Amino acid sequence: GEDVEQSLFLSVREGDSSVINCTYTDSSSTYLYWYKQEPGAGLQLLTYIFSNMDMKQDQRLTVLLNKKDKHLSLRIADTQTGDSAIYFCATGDYNQGGKLIFGQGTELSVKP
Amino acid sequence: KAGVTQTPRYLIKTRGQQVTLSCSPISGHRSVSWYQQTPGQGLQFLFEYFSETQRNKGNFPGRFSGRQFSNSRSEMNVSTLELGDSALYLCASSNRGSTFSYEQYFGPGTRLTVT
Repeated sequence: GEDVEQSLFLSVREGDSSVINCTYTDSSSTYLYWYKQEPGAGLQLLTYIFSNMDMKQDQRLTVLLNKKDKHLSLRIADTQTGDSAIYFCATGDYNQGGKLIFGQGTELSVKP
Repeated sequence: KAGVTQTPRYLIKTRGQQVTLSCSPISGHRSVSWYQQTPGQGLQFLFEYFSETQRNKGNFPGRFSGRQFSNSRSEMNVSTLELGDSALYLCASSNRGSTFSYEQYFGPGTRLTVT
């Protein structure tokens, strides 16, 4: 069935780059998302990439997609303490409408 | 533009009761999806509504239902509450139906506690 996997924890130093990885199984995924969730809050859409793209850059965020390996990554450059949060990878299929499949989330801890 | 709003933000109910949660999408958005978030199961898709019609449904029992009104506001209802229904219920809106946007924006959620 559909599955999205992420590592659960990542710890980095302030100023370093963070790389959060995600693998998915559904080859019909049309678009792939990264969301951020801070304590007690909803999900904030960070960025998304279409399955026919390899890379997308948006300020400090770089998304890389390896469709052959079904691997997605989110790189955060110059990580700040304010980036500490849980990051979710999600996949969507155009034919499934609004249904997104989420990973378990990666808790990013940024140490000063 | 105002974001997605959900009411109430917090709710405490007793097992066996029913509950109704409300979601107002971003102005102009016609699609509303609902998700349940729990520590054990993570984020799971409940259902999606578009132009008052349910377009997709996740694997939840029939106790979970929803509807959408002509102004795109949506409600979800859970009947005969169980302890396991305690969760954060998130609503997302998008202007799906447009060629150019697949972005889904989430509200702050309703925290439901069943005792």
